[in-house]
Amino acid sequence: DAKTTQPNSMESNEEEPVHLPCNHSTISGTDYIHWYRQLPSQGPEYVIHGLTSNVNNRMASLAIAEDRKSSTLILHRATLRDAAVYYCILPGAGSYQLTFGKGTKLSVIP
Amino acid sequence: NAGVMQNPRHLVRRRGQEARLRCSPMKGHSHVYWYRQLPEEGLKFMVYLQKENIIDESGMPKERFSAEFPKEGPSILRIQQVVRGDSAAYFCASSPFRGAAWTLNEQFFGPGTRLTVL
Repeated sequence: DAKTTQPNSMESNEEEPVHLPCNHSTISGTDYIHWYRQLPSQGPEYVIHGLTSNVNNRMASLAIAEDRKSSTLILHRATLRDAAVYYCILPGAGSYQLTFGKGTKLSVIP
Repeated sequence: NAGVMQNPRHLVRRRGQEARLRCSPMKGHSHVYWYRQLPEEGLKFMVYLQKENIIDESGMPKERFSAEFPKEGPSILRIQQVVRGDSAAYFCASSPFRGAAWTLNEQFFGPGTRLTVL
């Protein structure tokens, strides 16, 4: 798996946008970028994934740099329920092993 | 549409006892993965199974740990002669059938079993 680097923690005010960065300078051309999150005392939950183009779904948006060496997960309006650890993962094409690092712990302030 | 189910949610064992953790994948999913999360760490892959087959157990400790996914019934992660270092959260995930062109790695996780070894 390509190595990823994320900040240990971030804070956001409720109802404001949050930008969670991830660096992956050793990414290969076939690596998809996946984001999962883990709410307290729960299992991880898939958030979004992308390859080259920016992606949107009902949970979040994923902005991928043109050189693909970094990406940003965007939560458009943070809620208290979004407080979780967010993991940026590059499992490799066809790989089933998800390698979870330390992730970014997001705190949402009411 | 029920998600991945794991039981028990909490399990307490004394050193030397056996722990059995069960996982029922989502309906229609034939692939099961087990992960372990030690305190203050990220999840680590343990084993990948399909019905009646172990595909990859490269992340499983060589001794005392075993996993199965029988034709009928849930997947079982079995830990024999537990030690304090086995205390962790154990998560099961499942995914649907993977075709030849499959590239999405989305896995659906259960709520986990928190094992405490006294």
